[in-house]
Amino acid sequence: QVYLVQSGAEVKKPGSSVKVSCKASGGTFNSDAITWVRQAPGQGLQWMGGIIPRYGTTNYPQKFQGRVTITADDSTNTAYIELSSLRSEDTAVYYCATGSRVTTGQYYIHHWGQGTLVTVSS
Amino acid sequence: DIVMTQSPDSLAVSLGERATINCKTSQSVLYSSNNKDHLTWHQQKPGQPPKLLIYWASTRESGVPDRFSGSGSGTDFTLTITNVQAEDVAVYYCQQYYSTPYTFGQGTKLEIK
Repeated sequence: QVYLVQSGAEVKKPGSSVKVSCKASGGTFNSDAITWVRQAPGQGLQWMGGIIPRYGTTNYPQKFQGRVTITADDSTNTAYIELSSLRSEDTAVYYCATGSRVTTGQYYIHHWGQGTLVTVSS
Repeated sequence: DIVMTQSPDSLAVSLGERATINCKTSQSVLYSSNNKDHLTWHQQKPGQPPKLLIYWASTRESGVPDRFSGSGSGTDFTLTITNVQAEDVAVYYCQQYYSTPYTFGQGTKLEIK
């Protein structure tokens, strides 16, 4: 069974950055992908990008290019997402999830973390 | 980007009845290299993270009750829940992994009548 444990809630000022961690256990961290999805209050799910730790390759949606960075440390089975230039619209629960790879670059979202609430407020 | 449109936005069914949720994609998610549809269904219960129910459009994840089934191909997909139970109250999302950015439907809220 795969477990993903995320870091705790954050409160940030507009214009600052936030970094959320996601520690995996029980799975194949190095061969799977790790992906991040966010959910604004009362809203749906939005994919923010992913990384394949074995290759260090990342993929981000155009909407977040330049503002989001996803990294992974395979020595500790931990992935991170950093979002910069925060604005109020970034207030959301941020989920990490494993991605079961189906081709070199494609994967389906499989096991989800518990989520981390990030609040952006002055 | 592939746009995912679910219908209805919400539905209420009686216990033991059938619920049907539809998902339409703006382009085909059938991948020619493996002849599989790159589509998942996720269930999100109140206050919880989502949970994978179905992948490859119709393959149930391990441990998911067999009253959940997925069907469809190309651009039109359906999640069917037979014999609806109280614990099935949730929001259901379809999601494509055919091309990035991966995209989700807007969600369908299932309630008990």
